[in-house]
Amino acid sequence: GQNIDQPTEMTATEGAIVQINCTYQTSGFNGLFWYQQHAGEAPTFLSYNVLDGLEEKGRFSSFLSRSKGYSYLLLKELQMKDSASYLCAVRFSGGSYIPTFGRGTSLIVHP
Amino acid sequence: DAGITQSPRHKVTETGTPVTLRCHQTENHRYMYWYRQDPGHGLRLIHYSYGVKDTDKGEVSDGYSVSRSKTEDFLLTLESATSSQTSVYFCATGTGDGNTEAFFGQGTRLTVV
Repeated sequence: GQNIDQPTEMTATEGAIVQINCTYQTSGFNGLFWYQQHAGEAPTFLSYNVLDGLEEKGRFSSFLSRSKGYSYLLLKELQMKDSASYLCAVRFSGGSYIPTFGRGTSLIVHP
Repeated sequence: DAGITQSPRHKVTETGTPVTLRCHQTENHRYMYWYRQDPGHGLRLIHYSYGVKDTDKGEVSDGYSVSRSKTEDFLLTLESATSSQTSVYFCATGTGDGNTEAFFGQGTRLTVV
């Protein structure tokens, strides 16, 4: 399979910075997405990386290293509303380019 | 927000009964997908469609069938529901272009008793 690994759960404090890692097999890589999903709701798109480097969008940034098969989502100035699951999804060539999702990381933000 | 609606939003059904879930989009997206989401497994692709009457299987297609008779609608059918199909089902759509994301419906919570 196309293993995509993320930590199951992370906790952090309001106002802090947290980094959520995602590793994947490098063969056939064709792009990586991050989604946010609040409990009982649909996933919503956060970021897309296909080239190496850092993409910044306000408090959220996403990094990609294609040679290492590694990405992270960086959340700054954490707020209580950031408590959610964060899903890493990778598009591989040869699979109709449909993203394969990791199991998600549940982030709990404490006051 | 992308116009994707799923119906019903919640359903309880008995083992062995047929069930059809509907996904309707107003975005004119070419691609439509059905996923299931279960604790410990994340989102897993059941079936997808890349055009009217064009569908293909995903990772967990056994026990499911789909149909797409028009661009807007993608139906997921459980021919004979089993308890293992208790899950939250998400429909998603996309243009299929390289760097564009998928847009998700609000989900259908299905319980098979």
